[in-house]
Amino acid sequence: QKEVEQNSGPLSVPEGAIASLNCTYSDRGSQSFFWYRQYSGKSPELIMFIYSNGDKEDGRFTAQLNKASQYVSLLIRDSQPSDSATYLCAALNSGGSNYKLTFGKGTLLTVNP
Amino acid sequence: GAGVSQSPSNKVTEKGKDVELRCDPISGHTALYWYRQSLGQGLEFLIYFQGNSAPDKSGLPSDRFSAERTGGSVSTLTIQRTQQEDSAVYLCASSSRTSGYEQYFGPGTRLTVT
Repeated sequence: QKEVEQNSGPLSVPEGAIASLNCTYSDRGSQSFFWYRQYSGKSPELIMFIYSNGDKEDGRFTAQLNKASQYVSLLIRDSQPSDSATYLCAALNSGGSNYKLTFGKGTLLTVNP
Repeated sequence: GAGVSQSPSNKVTEKGKDVELRCDPISGHTALYWYRQSLGQGLEFLIYFQGNSAPDKSGLPSDRFSAERTGGSVSTLTIQRTQQEDSAVYLCASSSRTSGYEQYFGPGTRLTVT
């Protein structure tokens, strides 16, 4: 059973702080990982993807991947109240022609003004 | 370009009725996915279509649920004899190999079974 685990939170940070969201995955063969943001009542929106070990930066967001530890994280710098949402981590299944994503249950982030 | 579209956006139905939910993926995307999300819960995978291959139906919760994808584009999710526990938001997503298989979601259909 391929699994993606996330702390459900809520994670509460003050405005301007760095929010750190973490995710572990069980399928060692997974090659690509995705972070989605989901506002309450809305559908998930892709923020970033990463497939190489190390860091990938996009504006205030940095995704980090450590394949040896099977660990993915998302850092949000200078957090804003508008970043308050549920963040979903997903791993692309490995093997064959199966291109499903396995999603974690999400971490609820609250940024306090 | 246009994103994933779904219709209807809201559907209220009586218990025991059949419903059809429609998804129109991003043009050129070969893969299409259906998920269900109950209030406050995570995404529950239902079914996955990839090109002309047989769909992966491993997530369908019962034989009351079925889906088809015509012409490799539009998909319809059908729920027969709806039950109250079917009430949820049904999300459709599409992806393509050329874009690294990241999935783009539609706005969802909120289904309420009374």
